[in-house]
Amino acid sequence: AQSVTQLGSHVSVSEGALVLLRCNYSSSVPPYLFWYVQYPNQGLQLLLKYTSAATLVKGINGFEAEFKKSETSFHLTKPSAHMSDAAEYFCAVSKDYKLSFGAGTTVTVRA
Amino acid sequence: DTEVTQTPKHLVMGMTNKKSLKCEQHMGHRAMYWYKQKAKKPPELMFVYSYEKLSINESVPSRFSPECPNSSLLNLHLHALQPEDSALYLCASSLGTSGVYNEQFFGPGTRLTVL
Repeated sequence: AQSVTQLGSHVSVSEGALVLLRCNYSSSVPPYLFWYVQYPNQGLQLLLKYTSAATLVKGINGFEAEFKKSETSFHLTKPSAHMSDAAEYFCAVSKDYKLSFGAGTTVTVRA
Repeated sequence: DTEVTQTPKHLVMGMTNKKSLKCEQHMGHRAMYWYKQKAKKPPELMFVYSYEKLSINESVPSRFSPECPNSSLLNLHLHALQPEDSALYLCASSLGTSGVYNEQFFGPGTRLTVL
């Protein structure tokens, strides 16, 4: 069965600091993985996706994620946090006809 | 056009009311979805339409009734809802329903309050 686990329900970072959000997947076949961001009172926006073309995936707003098969991970990073990065972040895996979402990580950014 | 639109943005209804949520996309996507999302939780899948036919119903109560009039439109008809149905209702669409084609584009949602 394909699923994802997000480690850490809440991450607090200082403005300008590294943002690291963790996502581990369980899959018996190469997965299709996604990171979505949700700003307050809005829908989900795709940040980036892994489709097996490259292990380092660059997304929008300066985010990137690295697929590591040996660690079954797809962690999301941004070198320098901005106040506008405060949001909820969801990792997801394509599973059957569905997206299976992780529980989400809330990011707060301190000035 | 890479947008999924939803109307209305906000809806307040009583438990005896009948209302409908609307969703529209013009990206040529053949799959459309309804999700329910509670605060600080991931979206929960409700329904999946593929090529205008209902392919998945995640055991949703019959007071929620989906409809797909054509490949660009998706409705969710609401009747006799309960206060616990208050949530953000999200619509999404994708090219297909498997693998990378399951990249879903989400609308802004309808914030539903049931009194």
